[in-house]
Amino acid sequence: EPEVTQTPSHQVTQMGQEVILRCVPISNHLYFYWYRQILGQKVEFLVSFYNNEISEKSEIFDDQFSVERPDGSNFTLKIRSTKLEDSAMYFCASRAGYTEAFFGQGTRLTVV
Amino acid sequence: DQQVKQNSPSLSVQEGRISILNCDYTNSMFDYFLWYKKYPAEGPTFLISISSIKDKNEDGRFTVFLNKSAKHLSLHIVPSQPGDSAVYFCAASPTNFGNEKLTFGTGTRLTIIP
Repeated sequence: EPEVTQTPSHQVTQMGQEVILRCVPISNHLYFYWYRQILGQKVEFLVSFYNNEISEKSEIFDDQFSVERPDGSNFTLKIRSTKLEDSAMYFCASRAGYTEAFFGQGTRLTVV
Repeated sequence: DQQVKQNSPSLSVQEGRISILNCDYTNSMFDYFLWYKKYPAEGPTFLISISSIKDKNEDGRFTVFLNKSAKHLSLHIVPSQPGDSAVYFCAASPTNFGNEKLTFGTGTRLTIIP
């Protein structure tokens, strides 16, 4: 069964450093998303991406965040200068169109 | 701004009995609702969905009921099995196509007691 894969599974970084979280969506999907879940809280939408551009972004997705689909298969989330409050599980998701969103297993980001 | 609410943070049910998880929403624009199941250290896994033109959708042991006038949906699992122990998230979006984002509830931790 096709799945969304994310790497790394866990990333520890120092405050102020840049991180790149990587995702390989399901191959025939068209719509891509990043969500995050701070420990003990709900899953929150960050950004949606379609046709090589951002469709919608939340208030969380400020200038420190960016997304890219560099090669037609990978979908990346970059945080330019990490803050302690960026510590969370980050989930990539993709969908074909009239289907539910499929989520990856997540990347746990710990900012120290 | 909690547009999707799951008021029970946890629920314990005996194996074999029915588990009922509830979800309320406030945004009238929501027309498509989903339930996801999440195990620790894994991503959410899709369980079942329902669009607003229906009031019930069934898939094996899982049934979702939608009461649009009350802005309420529920997930019934019967019979409950130990492998059902997980966190269940209700999610909603305005449509089920295109690049609509999902708005999630806070989750209910379901524990099935053998």
